[in-house]
Order: sequence, then structure tokens, then C-alpha cells
Amino acid sequence: AQRVTQPEKLLSVFKGAPVELKCNYSYSGSPELFWYVQYSRQRLQLLLRHISRESIKGFTADLNKGETSFHLKKPFAQEEDSAMYYCALSAQGGSEKLVFGKGTKLTVNP
Amino acid sequence: GAVVSQHPSRVICKSGTSVKIECRSLDFQATTMFWYRQFPKQSLMLMATSNEGSKATYEQGVEKDKFLINHASLTLSTLTVTSAHPEDSSFYICSATTGSYTDTQYFGPGTRLTVL
Repeated sequence: AQRVTQPEKLLSVFKGAPVELKCNYSYSGSPELFWYVQYSRQRLQLLLRHISRESIKGFTADLNKGETSFHLKKPFAQEEDSAMYYCALSAQGGSEKLVFGKGTKLTVNP
Repeated sequence: GAVVSQHPSRVICKSGTSVKIECRSLDFQATTMFWYRQFPKQSLMLMATSNEGSKATYEQGVEKDKFLINHASLTLSTLTVTSAHPEDSSFYICSATTGSYTDTQYFGPGTRLTVL
């Protein structure tokens, strides 16, 4: 069975501090991992996916198959990063069904 | 590009009535659309996968006779909640994709359903 675990429901940091949102997954095959973000009163949108190996808005995430993790990191958090972040897993690419974690609400304080 | 709309954004209905929610891809052809349900302060739960021109595939535990899904065209999928009850009150979100492996899902803004 596919499962995504985000252990932190809430995460609060100060502006300029590093931030790491944790994501662990359970899947027997080779998954594709995603991070989605939902800003206040906005729709869910893709932040990044592991196969792209991009840095979006200063965020990066590395897939660690040994630890089955896909943690999201940013070295210097900004107030505009405050949002709900969801880690998601797909068995077969971005167009296939996604299994979401429960989400982490990030608050960046001034 | 890649915009998905949902209509209505909010709906209130009486118990026992049926409600239809539309999901449209505005600027691309969506071979596949997904319907999710989100409870307050909780994650998205996939209800069903809808492929254009074929029957929807429902996730375990989702009543197909209660949540009717139709994907009649490459730009429109509808979710009909039949004989709605207060426990069906929720936030329903759709997503759409072209179906390409390298593509992603584009999410609609969601529909808030309240059943009285």
C-alpha cells in the first residue's frame, strides 16, 4: 500500500531561519514524489517534483530511497512562504493518482 | 496556462436532494480528471479517477451510486452527489491532467458543499 507521512502538523519558524518540512513514504515500487503548496484562500499548486530536480522559490527536495524520505528544505524562510504544504506520491508519474500526506502548516514569523 | 475551474464554488442544499458539481479544464484537454474530498483541517482523499469516455474508477469505500461521475468530454467532468446527507458536507476538489507521464495535475479551486 502507498502511504505518505508528514509528521509535523504545524511548523513555525522566524523569517530568515532555515526550514525543513519532513515527508516519509511507504511504497514497494519506484515512486514519484511531489510537494504541493496551498496558500491562504488559493488552490493547491505544484511546488516541485523529484524528477525535475529544480529549486522553486528557493525550496529544494531530495529523494532519499534508503530512508524513504523526500524532505522539503529552504535555507532562509520568508513570510510569504507561510502556507499548507502537502507531500504526495504517485506510482506512475504526475498524471496518475496521487496519495497525499496530511499536510504541514508552515508559519513564518516576522 | 493549465487552468481548471469548478462550479459552483459553494452550494447549500437540503438533505435528500442531489447536487451537481462541474470541473472544467479551460485551456487544455484533460484525458483524466480526479475528484478529491477534503475534510476540515485534513488532507485530500481521492474519491475517483475519471477518464474521458469511460467509466470512473472509484477508490475503496467510495459509494459509486452516491457519487456519480461523468467525464463526457475532454474539458468537462461532473460529480453528482445523490440523495445528499449532512455527512456529505465537505470540500470537493477536482484536478485535471493531459495524461502525459511528464505532466502534472492541475487543481480546481474546490466546491464547498453544505447539506442541511
